[in-house]
Amino acid sequence: EVQLVESGGGLVKPGGSLRLSCAASGFTFTNAWMSWVRQAPGKGLEWVGRIKNKADGGTADYAAPVKGRFTLSRDDSKNMLSLQMDSLRTEDTAVYYCATGWATMSNWGQGALVTVSS
Amino acid sequence: QSALTQPPSASGSPGQSVTISCTGTSSDIGGYNYVSWYQQHPGKAPKLMIYEVSKRPSGVPDRFSGSKSGNTASLTVSGLQAEDEADYYCSSYAGSNNLGFGGGTKLTVL
Repeated sequence: EVQLVESGGGLVKPGGSLRLSCAASGFTFTNAWMSWVRQAPGKGLEWVGRIKNKADGGTADYAAPVKGRFTLSRDDSKNMLSLQMDSLRTEDTAVYYCATGWATMSNWGQGALVTVSS
Repeated sequence: QSALTQPPSASGSPGQSVTISCTGTSSDIGGYNYVSWYQQHPGKAPKLMIYEVSKRPSGVPDRFSGSKSGNTASLTVSGLQAEDEADYYCSSYAGSNNLGFGGGTKLTVL
């Protein structure tokens, strides 16, 4: 059974940093492209970023609102996906989901709440 | 502002069919067959219902179907059941390593 468990959410002040992690199990993480999607309170889904598997180059791409501030990384030895979020803004407040895949996101974690507020 | 346009709400009675549209452009929906649909119940994570326009993952009832015509994709739910009441989101590859979501449609089963 595929499991994705996000952690690291919390309250942070504007301009601050936070690092989210996503522990993966139940599938071959090394082969997977992985994504982050966020959902602001009462709003819709918004793609944040995607990282390819190492075989396909391991590169990451980002949505315009987070480019230059957020960084995706992966540790295939630990089956772990990370999202480093810097220069956080109030509009980054959301539940952050990790998911397998990209154009097709087959499995989703339960989400981690990030609140950016002074 | 969402990249893709969905109606904010849709409704139908049990047993009826309802179709939710998702309108984009030739740069996203019209240009690629990478349209997905997700179902989200309140307080829960999204669930993949349709991928690559019309394919159904294992375990998704065949009451759910997807299609595309030009720059508009559609999700049809046939034989509506109470548990189908949820928010539905479309997504599409938008070229240049971008992905867009629709604003979501709240489906109410009357």
